[in-house]
Amino acid sequence: GAVVSQHPSRVICKSGTSVKIECRSLDFQATTMFWYRQFPKKSLMLMATSNEGSKATYEQGVEKDKFLINHASLTLSTLTVTSAHPEDSSFYICSASAHGGNTGELFFGEGSRLTVL
Amino acid sequence: GENVEQHPSTLSVQEGDSAVIKCTYSDSASNYFPWYKQELGKRPQLIIDIRSNVGEKKDQRIAVTLNKTAKHFSLHITETQPEDSAVYFCAASGATGNQFYFGTGTSLTVIP
Repeated sequence: GAVVSQHPSRVICKSGTSVKIECRSLDFQATTMFWYRQFPKKSLMLMATSNEGSKATYEQGVEKDKFLINHASLTLSTLTVTSAHPEDSSFYICSASAHGGNTGELFFGEGSRLTVL
Repeated sequence: GENVEQHPSTLSVQEGDSAVIKCTYSDSASNYFPWYKQELGKRPQLIIDIRSNVGEKKDQRIAVTLNKTAKHFSLHITETQPEDSAVYFCAASGATGNQFYFGTGTSLTVIP
């Protein structure tokens, strides 16, 4: 199947700093990528839909100024957690569809565990 | 957005028995329903999916059924094995067809 790579897998930062997480589709072009947040033993919560060349669509309750998403190319989307605080500590995971998001199979990245001290 | 509910949250079965996980969704426009398996510390992996024009789909020991009228779909695993132990998530595609909303997950334990 298609491969989605996410980096970094783990990151620890101090409160108040910003952290960037990258999501790459390695062998296909992804016009649409999705960013999820997963709490321990909880489900995947859709944060936003990242659209190549346009603004991301955020789910209700997700602060767009807090979680900046950039999808500058067909193979890369980035999530920047700005001014991170301990409550932002979580597992962030991206996904992409090899069919341009048209109800095709979703392929997930490895996830990034963010710990804010 | 779409609201997906999943039951049960935990499920323990004896090896060889069947396991059934049920999900309901709220948006009648959803037309794609995948199921994902997530092992501890790993990324979710698609195990089976069904589209709204089909009522049932089977792949070896795994089957999914869909009732569009009632807006619910179920995962059936037969002849369970210890390696089936994981967290299973259902999802619905939402009105736009390209935003996936996940259920709350079911932690399945298969007891040898």
